Amino acid sequence: DTEVTQTPKHLVMGMTNKKSLKCEQHMGHRAMYWYKQKAKKPPELMFVYSYEKLSINESVPSRFSPECPNSSLLNLHLHALQPEDSALYLCASSQAMVGNNQPQHFGDGTRLSIL
Amino acid sequence: AQSVTQLGSHVSVSEGALVLLRCNYSSSVPPYLFWYVQYPNQGLQLLLKYTTGATLVKGINGFEAEFKKSETSFHLTKPSAHMSDAAEYFCAVSRSGGSNYKLTFGKGTLLTVNP
Repeated sequence: DTEVTQTPKHLVMGMTNKKSLKCEQHMGHRAMYWYKQKAKKPPELMFVYSYEKLSINESVPSRFSPECPNSSLLNLHLHALQPEDSALYLCASSQAMVGNNQPQHFGDGTRLSIL
Repeated sequence: AQSVTQLGSHVSVSEGALVLLRCNYSSSVPPYLFWYVQYPNQGLQLLLKYTTGATLVKGINGFEAEFKKSETSFHLTKPSAHMSDAAEYFCAVSRSGGSNYKLTFGKGTLLTVNP
């Protein structure tokens, strides 16, 4: 069992749809992350939230919109995605993003398919 | 800047044989080093980490790794492979202190275990 919960596990959407991915952790972590992982590749960092504020955006297209409503929740809003956005989207959390040696804990991901 | 090189994209062993997965890193500051495992259709699970202190690190599922600064290596070993060890393994590095949010992953090594 993972301590970072992601929903839904699978999502199929058309290029004109709007959908959201959700992530929740109850470990008291103050840093949360979104990653994109293509098949047979390592995860690629997309966004980092620290204390509920967006700290890092790795030049992600605006069709991906992150949101951190509170310290336990992280959302990724999707709109007008392209077929190449099909991937596994992973959420992770850690105690902080600066100055500590605690690792990131990952959820099981949402497998997204764009038709 | 930091980087990780995993030697061998695919390693195949027999059940009961030694598992050795190689990881070399480069980092301009003392690194934090991690090994993660990813089973099919799952997220990343932390196997073990090196931050400071003892250079031989024991992790879950019988895995261990040794930090060798002189060789800039952090190889993962397990004395006896089990069928359940078949998975993708990622070595990752982050910088100690400061902004250590960014995990730099290696390209991954797929471990197959033959009966």
